[in-house]
Amino acid sequence: EVQLVQSGTEVKEPGESLKISCKGSGYSFTSYWIVWVRQMPGKGLEWMGIIYPGDSDTRYSPSFQGQVTISADKSTTTAYLQWSSLKASDTAMYYCARGDRTGTTYNYWGQGTLVTVSS
Amino acid sequence: DIQMTQSPSSLSASVGDRVTITCRASQSISSSLNWYQQKPGKAPQLLIYAASSLQSGVPSRFSGSGSGTDFTLTISSLHPEDFATYYCQQSYSTFGAFGPGTKVDIK
Repeated sequence: EVQLVQSGTEVKEPGESLKISCKGSGYSFTSYWIVWVRQMPGKGLEWMGIIYPGDSDTRYSPSFQGQVTISADKSTTTAYLQWSSLKASDTAMYYCARGDRTGTTYNYWGQGTLVTVSS
Repeated sequence: DIQMTQSPSSLSASVGDRVTITCRASQSISSSLNWYQQKPGKAPQLLIYAASSLQSGVPSRFSGSGSGTDFTLTISSLHPEDFATYYCQQSYSTFGAFGPGTKVDIK
């Protein structure tokens, strides 16, 4: 059974760093793209970026380029989303999802990680 | 970048109603269009891929159509569990933009 299990809720202060995770299991982790999607409170889904764990090929939406870093660890079958300096506007639910072979259709999703940034 | 729009942004309907949601791409995306359903507090779920293919396990009352720039999602007879928000998403390019969503609630 394909599963994506995300790390738990985070409460941080502005300026702090953060790395959240998405552990894949039940499939060949290195053979499928993983995408990260943001959902701000009461808002829609925003495509942030995508990584192919097999060779770490990573692409970002222009809206998120330079704001976050996406990475993956093949040895632990885990993908990561990280910030070096959080802002209040980063408060959101973050989802990871597994793409199909083309990486453009997302048929397995993690449960989401809620990140709250507040002083 | 390809931009996606949806209409309406929200609608109220009754159980048993036929519901149609429209999605438009800013350029032709062939049949590279997916539909997702999201219920409050839950992750999105894939309903339709490649514009008209039903994802495994999804009830047959859901259907999708369209190609090029204009697409529709139809629910033939609304069930209580269908009250949710629906998003289209282009799968034509790597940057898989989502539409802004259509919230379907109870009339």
